[in-house]
Amino acid sequence: QVQLQESGPGLVKPSGTLSLTCAVSGGSISSSNWWSWVRQPPGKGLEWIGEIYHSGSTNYNPSLKSRVTISVDKSKNQFSLKLSSVTAADTAVYYCADIVVVPAAMLHYFDYWGQGTLVTVSS
Amino acid sequence: SYELTQPPSVSVSPGQTARITCSGDALPKQYAYWYQQKPGQAPVLVIYKDSERPSGIPERFSGSSSGTTVTLTISGVQAEDEADYYCQSADSSGTFVVFGGGTKLTVL
Repeated sequence: QVQLQESGPGLVKPSGTLSLTCAVSGGSISSSNWWSWVRQPPGKGLEWIGEIYHSGSTNYNPSLKSRVTISVDKSKNQFSLKLSSVTAADTAVYYCADIVVVPAAMLHYFDYWGQGTLVTVSS
Repeated sequence: SYELTQPPSVSVSPGQTARITCSGDALPKQYAYWYQQKPGQAPVLVIYKDSERPSGIPERFSGSSSGTTVTLTISGVQAEDEADYYCQSADSSGTFVVFGGGTKLTVL
């Protein structure tokens, strides 16, 4: 069973860049699945940030696309998120997840999730 | 941008049936998925492909689809089912993921 663990700073200054890494264990990041980031502001709902395939192909939420970069490091079996120009509105629990994507079969759903990590944007 | 619409809250007594709806224009073209989230925990998939149940999910959880609306049904609700429930799908192209706003299920 795949396990995912997020890591990174819990506090980021406004206008700075949020950087998180998700370590994948129990499976290869070069498998057939994609890898994704989802966030949840305190007391609010889930928001998809984007996803990446091990080849480097990405899809991003159009509302965040200008500020988001997701990358993969196959040698370390991990993937990462960078979100630039952050504001207090980016304060959230950030989850990494394993996502099943098969467009021809209309499959696009989250399989395994990390425990989540709270990132606060504050000076 | 594409949106999925859920009721903010649903309340039922133990043993009754809870129904949570999710509406979106692209639902006839894309499968819907349902996640259960309890406080302080990551979401858990309870229904996939509109009506399929993952292994380990109790039989009281079921899903259905009709046109632009999908429904999560929990039969014989138990206290442990109190949680937030999110529907999730993709836009009509299948490229972008979208979540509904979430429904808080309260077991009275």
